[in-house]
Amino acid sequence: AQTVTQSQPEMSVQEAETVTLSCTYDTSESDYYLFWYKQPPSRQMILVIRQEAYKQQNATENRFSVNFQKAAKSFSLKISDSQLGDAAMYFCAYRKYNAGNMLTFGGGTRLMVKP
Amino acid sequence: NAGVTQTPKFQVLKTGQSMTLQCAQDMNHEYMSWYRQDPGMGLRLIHYSVGAGITDQGEVPNGYNVSRSTTEDFPLRLLSAAPSQTSVYFCASRDIAGTSGNTIYFGEGSWLTVV
Repeated sequence: AQTVTQSQPEMSVQEAETVTLSCTYDTSESDYYLFWYKQPPSRQMILVIRQEAYKQQNATENRFSVNFQKAAKSFSLKISDSQLGDAAMYFCAYRKYNAGNMLTFGGGTRLMVKP
Repeated sequence: NAGVTQTPKFQVLKTGQSMTLQCAQDMNHEYMSWYRQDPGMGLRLIHYSVGAGITDQGEVPNGYNVSRSTTEDFPLRLLSAAPSQTSVYFCASRDIAGTSGNTIYFGEGSWLTVV
């Protein structure tokens, strides 16, 4: 079975600074997807960024980028120019290539942004 | 386009009662699933469906039933509520393929308390 581990229960960052959230996963599959979701206090699940395992290039979405290390099974999220609105729970998630919408989530990292 | 709609948003149940959480999507998605999120944890898969008439168990299926009589609806039934089922429940859907094929859409969550 796949597992996803987020080793940082809480992180804090100064507004306008950069922060990196860590995620490692375990799988025997070669084709899969990795995701970072943001969950604000409203509990809405918001997709931040997605990475296809077959792509070597790291995904980027505006201020958000990932460092995908397939051999090391590592998938970290970098948030640049942090904003107060970035404060939330962040979840790393894994989906096998043909696995419908069955996601395996990590335990989450609470990000606090200091003004 | 309403997306994924969950009802009710909040519910308090007594131990032993049964109830149904409703989930409907208007995007003609084949894949639908139910997750639960316990305090301080990531989401865990309860049941999923790959199309009308087809359902299967996820990671934590005990105490729950599902059915998929139409593409649009995927209700989750709690057979005999227990305090351990106090959680936030999320319904999610995804298209099989196409331009949105890798995007999973989440409902806003249903907060269930069992006393």
